[in-house]
Amino acid sequence: DTEVTQTPKHLVMGMTNKKSLKCEQHMGHRAMYWYKQKAKKPPELMFVYSYEKLSINESVPSRFSPECPNSSLLNLHLHALQPEDSALYLCASSHEGQETQYFGPGTRLLVL
Amino acid sequence: AQSVTQLDSQVPVFEEAPVELRCNYSSSVSVYLFWYVQYPNQGLQLLLKYLSGSTLVKGINGFEAEFNKSQTSFHLRKPSVHISDTAEYFCAVSGGGGKLIFGQGTELSVKP
Repeated sequence: DTEVTQTPKHLVMGMTNKKSLKCEQHMGHRAMYWYKQKAKKPPELMFVYSYEKLSINESVPSRFSPECPNSSLLNLHLHALQPEDSALYLCASSHEGQETQYFGPGTRLLVL
Repeated sequence: AQSVTQLDSQVPVFEEAPVELRCNYSSSVSVYLFWYVQYPNQGLQLLLKYLSGSTLVKGINGFEAEFNKSQTSFHLRKPSVHISDTAEYFCAVSGGGGKLIFGQGTELSVKP
């Protein structure tokens, strides 16, 4: 099974709201990733977690706060976002030390 | 540093015709290469990957790709496309440390 699930599928939020995106995988992968994708562009890496520890932060603004509560779950907490943060947010996972990443269906976020 | 160039931003083709989507890469280390497909309003799905071994890689949905080290290419091919192959295709190279370096994408449009 190579399934990564993400909730919600769609999210609309105001600039003062606080919301969270969730990602889950049950493949035993120990590396998990958050990407941001704008329309007609490739995904851009935001964060990498390895064995539940943050290993890469690609200079993402602090209004995005990742959390990895356990090896199967990855959250992205959102606060005080800007309209330009509207995008498709993708989660991915892989076996630690292996290069193949498996992506979830994404959460389409609209910030008003 | 690794980089990926997808030589065509759009490829229109008629149904049942063959197609080739071109990808060139640059890497100073061992190369792991991937093709992902993204259907409208969905996440990325792994089509195929080259990690080592045979340079001709077969993937899902009848796609295949050939790793050519001398030409630093990893072109994707399908002998006969269907309407359902209409999607965005991304070539990617592993950048090490869990990073995937994506090309800018090729929009494949299959016409009846």
